[in-house]
Amino acid sequence: EPEVTQTPSHQVTQMGQEVILRCVPISNHLYFYWYRQILGQKVEFLVSFYNNEISEKSEIFDDQFSVERPDGSNFTLKIRSTKLEDSAMYFCASSEVAETQYFGPGTRLLVL
Amino acid sequence: GEDVEQSLFLSVREGDSSVINCTYTDSSSTYLYWYKQEPGAGLQLLTYIFSNMDMKQDQRLTVLLNKKDKHLSLRIADTQTGDSAIYFCAERGDTGKLIFGQGTTLQVKP
Repeated sequence: EPEVTQTPSHQVTQMGQEVILRCVPISNHLYFYWYRQILGQKVEFLVSFYNNEISEKSEIFDDQFSVERPDGSNFTLKIRSTKLEDSAMYFCASSEVAETQYFGPGTRLLVL
Repeated sequence: GEDVEQSLFLSVREGDSSVINCTYTDSSSTYLYWYKQEPGAGLQLLTYIFSNMDMKQDQRLTVLLNKKDKHLSLRIADTQTGDSAIYFCAERGDTGKLIFGQGTTLQVKP
């Protein structure tokens, strides 16, 4: 069964460094999303992406964040200058139609 | 604003039924979802219901939706130890993003 994959599974970085989180959505899907879950808190929406552009972004998704679909298979989330409070589990999701989003296993990001 | 609330913990005995409850605030929600998260894993889509339906059954899972009270429940029949996980309720608003509850930890005792 096709699934969303994410790399790396864990990332440790120093505050102020740039990180790129990678996702490979399910191949025929058209809608892509990033969510994050800070430890002990709810899963929060960050951004949605369709037709090579951002459809919606949350208040969290400020200028430090960017997304890109550099080729036909990858979908990336870049954090330009990480802060301690960016430590979280980051989930990528994709959907073929708008109704059902399938999630990857997540990347656990720790900012020191 | 949009908000989804769930109770944090439920403990049942193996073989019993589990009922996990959820309330939401956005009356324009088009779809409501249940996701399952096992330790160290991602969010697995279990089932979802369109907002014009009252009930959906899928094998051991039954979803009930009370749109008037904005209440969603997930019933797991014959709960097994493998059902132990965190269960997230989510609503989909007009723009497509999902809004999640805080998750209910289901503990199944043998």
